[in-house]
Amino acid sequence: EVQLVESGGGLVQPGRSLKLSCLASGFTFSNYGMNWIRQAPGKGLEWVASISSSSSYIYYADTVKGRFTISRDNAKNTLYLQMTSLRSEDTALYYCARHGTSSYNNYFDYWGQGVMVTVSS
Amino acid sequence: DNVLPQSPTTMAASPGEKVTITCHASSSGIYMNWHQQKSGTSPKLWIYDTSKLASGVPDRFSGSGSGTSYSLTINTMETEDAATYYCQQCCSTPLTFGSGTKLEIK
Repeated sequence: EVQLVESGGGLVQPGRSLKLSCLASGFTFSNYGMNWIRQAPGKGLEWVASISSSSSYIYYADTVKGRFTISRDNAKNTLYLQMTSLRSEDTALYYCARHGTSSYNNYFDYWGQGVMVTVSS
Repeated sequence: DNVLPQSPTTMAASPGEKVTITCHASSSGIYMNWHQQKSGTSPKLWIYDTSKLASGVPDRFSGSGSGTSYSLTINTMETEDAATYYCQQCCSTPLTFGSGTKLEIK
């Protein structure tokens, strides 16, 4: 069974940093691209960042580019999101999601339960 | 603002009723995906490659579309289908979601 378990969220002051983790199990982690997607309270879904299976390709939403860094450790089956210079608008539930197996379509076939990040003074 | 327009924003349907949700893509010739999210839970992949049902999705659901207009259809609404549905277009970053359609049972 595919499982994605996020951790590392919490309350943080504006301008500070936080690092999220996503522990994957139930599949060969090193074979799949991975993503972070967030959902502000009461709002819709917003893609944040993607990383390919070997970390060769990395993409970010414009809203986080230069502030967030996605990375992975295939030996530990873990995906990370380092968030710096946090703003109140970064307050959201952050989901880890696996990339679907398609060479022509980018979609998310499994989602974690999410971890809450609240940016407030 | 990279959010795909979806319609309707909210709707209520009676059991047995046919439901259609529409999403407008920002470019043509793409694959559209749909995710279902029930209140307080994580989204689930529901439809991918425009018309393929994800594992475990009842066959009363279908997806279609071409050009820039795509839709998710429920042939006969059931109570368990009440949820918010998000479209999500493929192919190039940013990977954009729709604004969401909240579907309630009447």
